[in-house]
Amino acid sequence: NAGVTQTPKFQVLKTGQSMTLQCAQDMNHNSMYWYRQDPGMGLRLIYYSASEGTTDKGEVPNGYNVSRLNKREFSLRLESAAPSQTSVYFCASSSNRQGIVTQYFGPGTRLTVL
Amino acid sequence: AQSVAQPEDQVNVAEGNPLTVKCTYSVSGNPYLFWYVQYPNRGLQFLLKYITGDNLVKGSYGFEAEFNKSQTSFHLKKPSALVSDSALYFCAVRVESGNTPLVFGKGTRLSVIA
Repeated sequence: NAGVTQTPKFQVLKTGQSMTLQCAQDMNHNSMYWYRQDPGMGLRLIYYSASEGTTDKGEVPNGYNVSRLNKREFSLRLESAAPSQTSVYFCASSSNRQGIVTQYFGPGTRLTVL
Repeated sequence: AQSVAQPEDQVNVAEGNPLTVKCTYSVSGNPYLFWYVQYPNRGLQFLLKYITGDNLVKGSYGFEAEFNKSQTSFHLKKPSALVSDSALYFCAVRVESGNTPLVFGKGTRLSVIA
């Protein structure tokens, strides 16, 4: 099992460019999440998908869109990147089974917007 | 609303000494509590969780945490620190009911000095 994988690992964009961050999990988890990590801010939830076919906004959704392509894949899109979106982005997944609530994280994507 | 506070940005401890990383939480209802560790340039790794039952929870790498309902705390502890324990530690919480994402604290950087 690869667990949670993310591509790319690093990306540099210019202001106004668009890009999609990809995330996939092979643990048959129902729920998937996108967080961003900034120094001194911890992890903040951008969007999540409780199950295939549903998505919900988190704490900081502005400037982002998501697609739950299928049960395995959950992508995050920046339509017009801004310097404030420079961050490390983490994807995570979890099962919805009773009592099984641990979230497992990918290795992250380090994004710089110039 | 759920929230987590990690009151210390940085904790320094000498190798071989006991360590404590503090966490307090606020939820409406029964909490599920988690600790994660992040090594440099890596994703978050699950350490331990409290769901129900014994208030003292044991996890990976010799870490343990004690759930204290009256003080709404879930402090992370280890009897004897190692230099390799130096990392960023995150406490997280979610409510028992429903299927909500984890809410993370801002993190505490632990430095173990040889």
